[in-house]
Order: sequence, then structure tokens, then C-alpha cells
Amino acid sequence: SQTIHQWPATLVQPVGSPLSLECTVEGTSNPNLYWYRQAAGRGLQLLFYSVGIGQISSEVPQNLSASRPQDRQFILSSKKLLLSDSGFYLCAWRGTASNQPQHFGDGTRLSIL
Amino acid sequence: QKEVEQDPGPLSVPEGAIVSLNCTYSNSAFQYFMWYRQYSRKGPELLMYTYSSGNKEDGRFTAQVDKSSKYISLFIRDSQPSDSATYLCAMSRIGSQGNLIFGKGTKLSVKP
Repeated sequence: SQTIHQWPATLVQPVGSPLSLECTVEGTSNPNLYWYRQAAGRGLQLLFYSVGIGQISSEVPQNLSASRPQDRQFILSSKKLLLSDSGFYLCAWRGTASNQPQHFGDGTRLSIL
Repeated sequence: QKEVEQDPGPLSVPEGAIVSLNCTYSNSAFQYFMWYRQYSRKGPELLMYTYSSGNKEDGRFTAQVDKSSKYISLFIRDSQPSDSATYLCAMSRIGSQGNLIFGKGTKLSVKP
């Protein structure tokens, strides 16, 4: 069966520091991968998605970037964090066959001080 | 008008009640409809996934889609305290790389 891992679960970072969040998927090949941010009362916002290694699509301009160095690895990064980057970051995957739903990891709660 | 509208609640019901959760949408291109359950400090968990208009049942959960009215529902029968969570509706278009549009979620509390 397929599983998705995200780490760390919680992170506290100072303003201006760099960020690297990692997501890996097991039990599937060539998944579509997604990064979301969830802010209280504002729902899930799609940040990036990837249909293959090195292929990244950005949904909103922001202080963040994403990379996919391996088939089942998706990384969310920032060079200098802003206070507004605080939030709950979720990674998700789906199979490439049509009609497949997305499956989520347990997220990283990021607090910027 | 937002693409997907969902009443945020909160909704509080006694144990054993039937719960009805709803979303409306404006884009007639949406073809796939999902309900996710999210416990506090956890990722969303897929509950139901439907494609066409009509009903789909899984245990105590029934998902209903009415494309003519652009309205989807999730019914929970015999609700339990363990059903207390935020419920998110989501939908996508054909050919959208599976990109989902989410409602903001309804927070449900089932009281013993």
C-alpha cells in the first residue's frame, strides 16, 4: 500500500532563516505531488504541484519554492522566511491514472518568530 | 462568487444524530467530488470520492451529488464522538492534473 511521509511535524523558525520541508511517498511510481498551505479559516491553498522529476508548477507567487529531485521526493524551500509564511503545510500525492483522488500527509506546523 | 462555498459551522449535534454537510459550487466543469475528514493537527483523510450525480454509500457515510443544482452533500448516520472533526469538500475538472478546489471546511462536534 502507498504511504506518504512529511517531516518535521512541527518547526519554529526565526524570521529571515531558510526553510526546507521534505515529503516522500512509498509504494507508487511517478505520482503527481502537491504542496498546500492551510491557514485558519482560509481553507487549503495549493502552492505547487509536480507531474514528474524536475517539473514544478507554481500556483501563487510567494516567498517559497519547490523541487522534485527524485520521483517520490518533494521539497518545499525558502531562502528567507517571512512572518506571513507561518501556517500548516501539507503534502499530497495522487496516481497518474485519470480520476484518482489526492492523499495527504500529516503536515508540518510552521511557526515564524 | 467563490468557486466552492461551504458553511464553516461550527455544527454541534448529539451522539446518534444524522448529520448533513453541504457544499455548493459555481463551475459546471467540475466532474469529480470528494469529501475529506481532518482531525485537529492532522492531514485530511479521504472519506468519499464520486464522479457522477447520485448517491454513494460507505458504511455510515453517504455522499450525494446533484450536478444540475451544483450541490453536493455528505450524510453521516448514527454519528459518533469520533466523527468530531472538520469536513472538507473538494472538487476537480477533467484534465486539471487532479488539482483540487476545496471548500473552507465545516467543523463538526458530536456530543456524547
